[in-house]
Amino acid sequence: GAVVSQHPSWVICKSGTSVKIECRSLDFQATTMFWYRQFPKQSLMLMATSNEGSKATYEQGVEKDKFLINHASLTLSTLTVTSAHPEDSSFYICSARDRPTYEQYFGPGTRLTVT
Amino acid sequence: AQKITQTQPGMFVQEKEAVTLDCTYDTSDPSYGLFWYKQPSSGEMIFLIYQGSYDQQNATEGRYSLNFQKARKSANLVISASQLGDSAMYFCAMREDTYSGAGSYQLTFGKGTKLSVIP
Repeated sequence: GAVVSQHPSWVICKSGTSVKIECRSLDFQATTMFWYRQFPKQSLMLMATSNEGSKATYEQGVEKDKFLINHASLTLSTLTVTSAHPEDSSFYICSARDRPTYEQYFGPGTRLTVT
Repeated sequence: AQKITQTQPGMFVQEKEAVTLDCTYDTSDPSYGLFWYKQPSSGEMIFLIYQGSYDQQNATEGRYSLNFQKARKSANLVISASQLGDSAMYFCAMREDTYSGAGSYQLTFGKGTKLSVIP
């Protein structure tokens, strides 16, 4: 089956610093990748949809200047949390959509802790 | 309005028994897909089963089956012969399959049901 990787799997950073999370589709091309955020004991909340070569589409209430998304190739999308604060601590999950089938495959997630 | 409703925040089931996790959905799109995912404590989203809106038969995958009642807009997950490893969060999700612009083909998730299997 299709594999999506995320790196890092967990990260601890200090308040005010920026953190970059990578999402890669390993064996398929993904024109579209999704970024989700999940707080403890809650559901996945879609943050943004990124399409290769174009600007990401952010969901209402998500600060695009804080959560920078880049989808520079058909296999890589990155989420950068800029000037992170403790309230940004969360579990971030990416998923990639397989171009021919529209099936969506999830990465293993990245646990971010901001101290 | 919520598109996916999971009314059971938590469920308990005895090992080796069957359990049904409820999911109702709301859409006016005639073409859609329904998904169930399992999320163990590690956080990864594990795809379990898929049902298309035009599928005539209920989907089955091993111990998982989807009880699809289109008129009632329900897509309940049935897990047979529960195992301790089934303890996890379970999410129902829907994808509307008619193109409608930038947000097309997104998955919409329910709030989830935490299943605990008792030995």
